[in-house]
Amino acid sequence: AQSVTQLGSHVSVSEGALVLLRCNYSSSVPPYLFWYVQYPNQGLQLLLKYTSAATLVKGINGFEAEFKKSETSFHLTKPSAHMSDAAEYFCAVSDLRSGGYNKLIFGAGTRLAVHP
Amino acid sequence: ETGVTQTPRHLVMGMTNKKSLKCEQHLGHNAMYWYKQSAKKPLELMFVYNFKEQTENNSVPSRFSPECPNSSHLFLHLHTLQPEDSALYLCASSQESGTGANIQYFGAGTRLSVL
Repeated sequence: AQSVTQLGSHVSVSEGALVLLRCNYSSSVPPYLFWYVQYPNQGLQLLLKYTSAATLVKGINGFEAEFKKSETSFHLTKPSAHMSDAAEYFCAVSDLRSGGYNKLIFGAGTRLAVHP
Repeated sequence: ETGVTQTPRHLVMGMTNKKSLKCEQHLGHNAMYWYKQSAKKPLELMFVYNFKEQTENNSVPSRFSPECPNSSHLFLHLHTLQPEDSALYLCASSQESGTGANIQYFGAGTRLSVL
């Protein structure tokens, strides 16, 4: 069965510093992987997704993630943090069900704080 | 119109009350989902409707009853809830094509407090 582990429930960075949020997955088949962001009092919004087309995936707001099969990782990065990046970030792996729909298995989330 | 709209945004109810959460998607999608988001726990998938048919029920207690009258609307009927049911309930929708790569679009959620 697919699973996702996000290392670090809280990450704190200074404004302008590198953001690195870690995600490791377990999947018996080539996975589809997603990063979502949740701002306070809002639902989840897709940042980016990996569907095997390219190992380095670029998303919105300057975020990108690299798929590394050998490490079963899909870490999220951003070169320079902005105050508006403060939010909770969720990594997810897709589990295609027999009913033909896409069940997302989410990690526990990482809360990113950005300090001036 | 935002893609996925949930009402109400906040709900406080007693354990003996009956209430309903509503979700509407304006994206023309064919699948809709209910999730529960509790503090310090991963998102829990509760129910899935694919083409209006319920295709998944993740061992959710019967005090939660979903209804999907058409592909654009999804309800979650609540009765005799427990305090541990207090959480953020999120609705999502997607256009499913059987590939596993489809994006789920989320509403802003209903913050439920059970007293």
